[in-house]
Amino acid sequence: QKEVEQNSGPLSVPEGAIASLNCTYSDRGSQSFFWYRQYSGKSPELIMSIYSNGDKEDGRFTAQLNKASQYVSLLIRDSQPSDSATYLCAFRRGGGNKLTFGTGTQLKVEL
Amino acid sequence: NAGVTQTPKFQVLKTGQSMTLQCAQDMNHNSMYWYRQDPGMGLRLIYYSASEGTTDKGEVPNGYNVSRLNKREFSLRLESAAPSQTSVYFCASSEDRARETQYFGPGTRLLVL
Repeated sequence: QKEVEQNSGPLSVPEGAIASLNCTYSDRGSQSFFWYRQYSGKSPELIMSIYSNGDKEDGRFTAQLNKASQYVSLLIRDSQPSDSATYLCAFRRGGGNKLTFGTGTQLKVEL
Repeated sequence: NAGVTQTPKFQVLKTGQSMTLQCAQDMNHNSMYWYRQDPGMGLRLIYYSASEGTTDKGEVPNGYNVSRLNKREFSLRLESAAPSQTSVYFCASSEDRARETQYFGPGTRLLVL
């Protein structure tokens, strides 16, 4: 079983719709969770971090964490073409420096 | 404030050649990391340095060595390049262990023939 699983996509949504990206993880020792966005040919940039169960909102982005079910999701409201990118989820085990990344989900927002 | 910088941006090597990838950060971060990214494999940690003077192996350290030259600089060396090391290499840094936000450099594309 992979430590982090993401659907590679592509996930296509129309402009203005809600995009829902999901990530499951196997390590119950995971304590910190992150969503990175990576445009083609560019480096990853952090868009959200979440540490406790529930929802965390930042502008058009909402991260949701459910530790009991071992999943984390990212909702993007009012999707824009500029949101088209690959979204990487990552987690950190408690007490460690290292992040473990998923392989990413490609999101395409269509006009 | 340039953030994390990497050199070179692109490099072509022949099998068996050696090279060093350079990384520097100007954010006064304690921790630095080297990743490689391959299609379908995601980002995989090669080595990291939790603080100046320390380095530790990550998930895929074989074939690589690192040096934490000072707080700002963290280099990655390929002693004898192999085609399997063709990849995009990213350097990242973070403030300390409690704040795990990692900031990435622009990457180095390496092709080993």
